[in-house]
Amino acid sequence: KQEVTQIPAALSVPEGENLVLNCSFTDSAIYNLQWFRQDPGKGLTSLLLIQSSQREQTSGRLNASLDKSSGRSTLYIAASQPGDSATYLCAVRRGGGGNKLTFGTGTQLKVEL
Amino acid sequence: GAGVSQTPSNKVTEKGKYVELRCDPISGHTALYWYRQSLGQGPEFLIYFQGTGAADDSGLPNDRFFAVRPEGSVSTLKIQRTERGDSAVYLCASSSEADTQYFGPGTRLTVL
Repeated sequence: KQEVTQIPAALSVPEGENLVLNCSFTDSAIYNLQWFRQDPGKGLTSLLLIQSSQREQTSGRLNASLDKSSGRSTLYIAASQPGDSATYLCAVRRGGGGNKLTFGTGTQLKVEL
Repeated sequence: GAGVSQTPSNKVTEKGKYVELRCDPISGHTALYWYRQSLGQGPEFLIYFQGTGAADDSGLPNDRFFAVRPEGSVSTLKIQRTERGDSAVYLCASSSEADTQYFGPGTRLTVL
């Protein structure tokens, strides 16, 4: 059974700092990995999707990397802003035709002025 | 068009009652998913539809839970004889062939 772990569970940083969120998964036979953002009381917003054949994806100040063989992904946020404050979730879709996502428990990020 | 919508946004019910939660996916998306998110946890998969049929219902916790998608668009998640442990946010997502799942705002279910 796939298990997804996110470290740290919570993080507080001053505005402007670069930061890294970590995601690890136990079964490397994945199809893709997706990073989401969740604001309090809201649904999930997709940030980046990395296919299993890719090593990284970038969107603006966000960069996500994937090391499938070691079961790890990182989300790098450059020059953090208070508007980045949210919970960040990673999710993996397994290979072999399954479509469901298995989520981690998330990292709650607070960017302070 | 518009994103995934879910109704109601909040539902409060009493233990033992029946509830229905509705999901309107993005127009043209053939795949639709239901997840459940408990406080402080990530979403957990419940069921996945491809068109009108349930392609994977392995996440439904027991036979009190049932979902339908009769015309391949709108889906309804039905919960019979609700229990306090069913209290959670129920999330719906849809996708096309491009893999990315787009989520709705969720329905917060509270069972008293």
